[in-house]
Amino acid sequence: DVKVTQSSRYLVKRTGEKVFLECVQDMDHENMFWYRQDPGLGLRLIYFSYDVKMKEKGDIPEGYSVSREKKERFSLILESASTNQTSMYLCASSGPGAYGYTFGSGTRLTVV
Amino acid sequence: GQQLNQSPQSMFIQEGEDVSMNCTSSSIFNTWLWYKQDPGEGPVLLIALYKAGELTSNGRLTAQFGITRKDSFLNISASIPSDVGIYFCAGRSSGAGSYQLTFGKGTKLSVIP
Repeated sequence: DVKVTQSSRYLVKRTGEKVFLECVQDMDHENMFWYRQDPGLGLRLIYFSYDVKMKEKGDIPEGYSVSREKKERFSLILESASTNQTSMYLCASSGPGAYGYTFGSGTRLTVV
Repeated sequence: GQQLNQSPQSMFIQEGEDVSMNCTSSSIFNTWLWYKQDPGEGPVLLIALYKAGELTSNGRLTAQFGITRKDSFLNISASIPSDVGIYFCAGRSSGAGSYQLTFGKGTKLSVIP
C-alpha cells in the first residue's frame, strides 16, 4: 500500500524555535506538497517541489522554507516559530498516472 | 488564480438522510476529485472523475462531473455516523502546472445518530 509518512502526529514547540517537519513517500513520486489547514480556511499551499532540489512558493510561503535533497523526502522548516503558525500541517505527493494527491496523516503543531 | 466554491460549508443531518454537496469553478477542469478527511487524519481520495457528464459511484457515494466542466457534485445516500468528516472537492486543469490541484474549502458533515 502506498504511503506518505509524516514524522510526528503532534508537536509542541516554543516561540522562536526552529522547527522541522519531515515527510517521506514511498511511491517514487516527483511532486510533493506542504499545506496548512485551519478551520474555515481550507487547505492552503505553502510550498511544493516537482523534482529533487527544486522548490516553488505556494500561496502562503512567508515564515517557511523547504528542503528536498532526496526524491522521497520533503521537509518543511519554520525558521523561527510563532504562535500564528499553530496549525495542522499536511504533506502530499503525486506522480505521473496518479489519480490525485496522496496525503500524510498530518502533524498538528502547537507553538506556545 | 483559479477558485473553487464549495457548498455548503457545513451540514448537520440525521442518520439515514441523504446528503448533497457541490463545487463550482470559475474555469474549466479536466479532472474532478472528491476527498474525505476523518477527524485528526489526512484527506483520503474517494472518487475521481475524468470526463464531462461522468457519473461514478463508490458504495453509498455518487459523484458527477458537470457537463460544463465547471462543476461537480457529491451525494451520500443513507448517511451513517462514520460519514462524519470534512469533504473536499479538487480540480485539475490542463497545461502548465497541471499536476497541481485546486481545492475547495471543504464541507464539514456532522451526523446525528
